[in-house]
Parts: sequence; C-alpha cells; structure tokens
Amino acid sequence: DAMVIQNPRYQVTQFGKPVTLSCSQTLNHNVMYWYQQKSSQAPKLLFHYYDKDFNNEADTPDNFQSRRPNTSFCFLDIRSPGLGDAAMYLCATSRDLDSSYNEQFFGPGTRLTVL
Amino acid sequence: SQQGEEDPQALSIQEGENATMNCSYKTSINNLQWYRQNSGRGLVHLILIRSNEREKHSGRLRVTLDTSKKSSSLLITASRAADTASYFCATGRKGGSEKLVFGKGTKLTVNP
Repeated sequence: DAMVIQNPRYQVTQFGKPVTLSCSQTLNHNVMYWYQQKSSQAPKLLFHYYDKDFNNEADTPDNFQSRRPNTSFCFLDIRSPGLGDAAMYLCATSRDLDSSYNEQFFGPGTRLTVL
Repeated sequence: SQQGEEDPQALSIQEGENATMNCSYKTSINNLQWYRQNSGRGLVHLILIRSNEREKHSGRLRVTLDTSKKSSSLLITASRAADTASYFCATGRKGGSEKLVFGKGTKLTVNP
C-alpha cells in the first residue's frame, strides 16, 4: 500500500545532541511537510518542500533544518535539541501545492524525547 | 490568525449517540478539511469541503460549511467506541496557499 513512513517511531536524545528524523513516501507526491505537535496542541508547520524547493515558515527556529535528497525521502535535522523541542514530529505529503484540492497524507509520527 | 478553533475541546458520549464538533476560523478560505488523530499517531484525512459547498457526506460523517459565519461542523452519526480520537479542522487559505492551518482539536471519547 502506498504510504508515508517515519523512522524511528520513538527517539530519545540528550540535550544539545544532534538528531535526525526520517520520512519516506511511496505516493510519489511532489510536496513533503514537517510539522511539530506538542501535547494537546495543533500541528504546527515547520517547513515544506515542493520538489526540491524548500519553504521555511517564518517562525521556525534555525535549530531546525531539512533535507530532501530525492522525491521519496525527507529528513528533519535538529542541530541542538532543547527541552522545549520534545514533541511529536509529523511528516506529511500532498500531490501538489494547491490546497483547494489536495488532502495531506500523514505518517505515524516520531515522538522525540530530550533528556 | 487564520487558525481554526474547535468547539468543544472535549466531548464524551455513549456508543450509538451522535457527536457534533464545530470549527470557527477568521479569514477567507479555499477549503476546510477535517482530520482525525488516534492517540499517539499521525493524522488521517476525513473529508474536504470547498468554499462553494455547503454540505458534504462521507459514510457516517456529515460536514457543513457556513462561509458567512466562518464556521463548519462535523457530525458523526451512530458513534462507535472506535471513533474515539481527536478531530482537527484545517483551513486552506484563499489564494491557493499550500499551507493548511490546524485548529487545536476536539478530543472525542465514545464510551461502550
């Protein structure tokens, strides 16, 4: 089945130790998104790629970076995780950019714990 | 802010009852989408309603949209324990923006 896969499902890191979360998709979608979701809050968009074009949200901290080496894979790098970065990180895809027509498909998420 | 606001924040009902959740937003939209999230999991798309539509059905789901009031409702009929989840509305901004803005969600508990 076509899907969005996130690895790992649970990640524990130490304060200040770089961490990378990965996302892959078999949907062949053009757009990939990374969201941060804290407990009982709305998912918050960090950035997205349309093909290779990177679009950062204005309020996304510099601590968060992303890479998309090919259509299928997208990575979220947190350079120096702080305690406030503990959250669920959700990867999503959509076929194209026009939100009028495109639902987003989400992976199961990676829950990040920062010690 | 364009962010949708769901109401109520939490809802607890018995199996077989109907559940109604509401969403209000602030700016003009292209569409409004509803998503479901089981505890500790990703979001699953339920239904999309465009700004020129007033009502849409999908199985036990019924969504309405009132653009004059900037509000939407999600009705789940004949609820089941498996419907227990958080439900989020998300709005796509008029102008074709790719960005969806999610509300804080309604946590629905369906008791068997």
